[in-house]
Amino acid sequence: DTAVSQTPKYLVTQMGNDKSIKCEQNLGHDTMYWYKQDSKKFLKIMFSYNNKELIINETVPNRFSPKSPDKAHLNLHINSLELGDSAVYFCASSHWDRRENYGYTFGSGTRLTVV
Amino acid sequence: EDQVTQSPEALRLQEGESSSLNCSYTVSGLRGLFWYRQDPGKGPEFLFTLYSAGEEKEKERLKATLTKKESFLHITAPKPEDSATYLCAVQGTGGFKTIFGAGTRLFVKA
Repeated sequence: DTAVSQTPKYLVTQMGNDKSIKCEQNLGHDTMYWYKQDSKKFLKIMFSYNNKELIINETVPNRFSPKSPDKAHLNLHINSLELGDSAVYFCASSHWDRRENYGYTFGSGTRLTVV
Repeated sequence: EDQVTQSPEALRLQEGESSSLNCSYTVSGLRGLFWYRQDPGKGPEFLFTLYSAGEEKEKERLKATLTKKESFLHITAPKPEDSATYLCAVQGTGGFKTIFGAGTRLFVKA
């Protein structure tokens, strides 16, 4: 069973289109994240939800909108796609605990190519 | 602002040739320092969490150590299957955000 699953794995689309990436985790974690990995392999946090509440909202264009219908799902919708949005987008999840700091479990990524 | 710098960018080793990867960090109160392994086309895989200076953790041929300013990932007698990108990340006490370094690409030749 895949712990954190993202769909689709590959997404090729034209500039100006709107697209969504879906993420689901079956680990019972309470916190989920979206990271963007650019061509230089740098992972940058975009958003995070804890128990369906938005807790991290980095400086990303407002064309990007996350949605968390429940603790197990975190989707990413992108409007008016631009060439610079091409990257690999990773979903991750973790369990938040004040005493212990558990690592993240990442999905396998969605490679978005805007043409 | 929290920051993570990893060196070297790339490291080429012969099988059995031990070495270390470096992670320098600045953070306003360390809640945890993490090491991940990332294989091509896959998401990062969690390896270790370190919490305070002097702490060490081991897993097979990997050992992670932590000081107040940096962390080292020591690889003892590496094998070709250890080839991957190793990512260091930190989380400060200020919030939930985890900041990643750019990674070290490790190549181990048989």
